[in-house]
Amino acid sequence: AQTVTQSQPEMSVQEAETVTLSCTYDTSESDYYLFWYKQPPSRQMILVIRQEAYKQQNATENRFSVNFQKAAKSFSLKISDSQLGDAAMYFCAYFDYKLSFGAGTTVTVRA
Amino acid sequence: NAGVTQTPKFQVLKTGQSMTLQCAQDMNHNSMYWYRQDPGMGLRLIYYSASEGTTDKGEVPNGYNVSRLNKREFSLRLESAAPSQTSVYFCATSWGRDLTSALNGYTFGSGTRLTVV
Repeated sequence: AQTVTQSQPEMSVQEAETVTLSCTYDTSESDYYLFWYKQPPSRQMILVIRQEAYKQQNATENRFSVNFQKAAKSFSLKISDSQLGDAAMYFCAYFDYKLSFGAGTTVTVRA
Repeated sequence: NAGVTQTPKFQVLKTGQSMTLQCAQDMNHNSMYWYRQDPGMGLRLIYYSASEGTTDKGEVPNGYNVSRLNKREFSLRLESAAPSQTSVYFCATSWGRDLTSALNGYTFGSGTRLTVV
């Protein structure tokens, strides 16, 4: 079974600064997807960014970017120019035929 | 608006009571899923339905049953609720279970907060 590990239960960042969230996963597959989801206090699950394992180029979506290290099975999320609206729980997720989630990292943004 | 609708949003049950959580989607997706979210454990898959007429166990199926009523609806039933089933439950959908179908991830409902006392 695939496992996804997020080792940082909580992270705090100053507004306009950068924060990086860590994620590692375990798999024997060569083709899969990785995702980061955001869950604000409303509970809604919002897709932030995705990475296809066969792509070497790291995905970027506006202020969100990933550092995908396939050999190391690492998939970190960088939030640049943090805004108050970025405060949420962030989940790393791995997909090959189902979506498996890490435990989540709570991000707080200080004004 | 197209999406995934879960009912109810909140529920309190007594130990031993039964209830059904409802999920309906108008995304025309083939696959549907039930997850539970607990602090420090992320979301864990309870059951899924790859397509209409099929259901399979996920990671934590004990104490639950599901029904894929039609393409749109996928319900989760607790026959005899236990305090350990206190959780937030999410329904999710996707086009299918292969990689191409999941390129845009899953679409999630807004969740049901269930408390069993």
